[in-house]
Amino acid sequence: RKEVEQDPGPFNVPEGATVAFNCTYSNSASQSFFWYRQDCRKEPKLLMSVYSSGNEDGRFTAQLNRASQYISLLIRDSKLSDSATYLCAVKPPGGYNKLIFGAGTRLAVHP
Amino acid sequence: DGGITQSPKYLFRKEGQNVTLSCEQNLNHDAMYWYRQDPGQGLRLIYYSQIVNDFQKGDIAEGYSVSREKKESFPLTVTSAQKNPTAFYLCASSLGQANTGELFFGEGSRLTVL
Repeated sequence: RKEVEQDPGPFNVPEGATVAFNCTYSNSASQSFFWYRQDCRKEPKLLMSVYSSGNEDGRFTAQLNRASQYISLLIRDSKLSDSATYLCAVKPPGGYNKLIFGAGTRLAVHP
Repeated sequence: DGGITQSPKYLFRKEGQNVTLSCEQNLNHDAMYWYRQDPGQGLRLIYYSQIVNDFQKGDIAEGYSVSREKKESFPLTVTSAQKNPTAFYLCASSLGQANTGELFFGEGSRLTVL
């Protein structure tokens, strides 16, 4: 079993749709969780951190479920510009930011 | 502007040649990392360094070498021992002890072995 798993997609949704991605992780002692966005042939960029209480940034909401060991990302009112690959990242126990990344979920928003 | 600079962006190599990818950061970050990304796969950690003159192997270090002689520089050498070196290589940095969990990435170096 991979340490961090994501549905590769693609998720093809129309503009304005709500879409949700999940990401499961295997190490129950994992400390921190993140969603990164990666545009085609570009570097990943941090989209948002995922806190135990959940967090929201505009149209984006991230949730953590420690009991079931998954994190989720919800995108409301999808825009064409949201089309990208969304990578989840998990920080295992230990120091520094040695993140483990999932393979990513590809989102394609169409008119 | 602060950031991470990787060079070259594109590199072609013949089999049997060593190549070195450059990574420089002016963010004053303590920790630096090298990841490799293959199509349809997540980022896999090659090497990381927490402080100058110290580095540790990641999950796929075989066939690679690094050095960390200066805080701002963390070059990666892809040796001829690396069996399948064609990939997208990403360098990243982060704060050390006071880390927030965020990695800052360079724009990447795309290596193709001919």
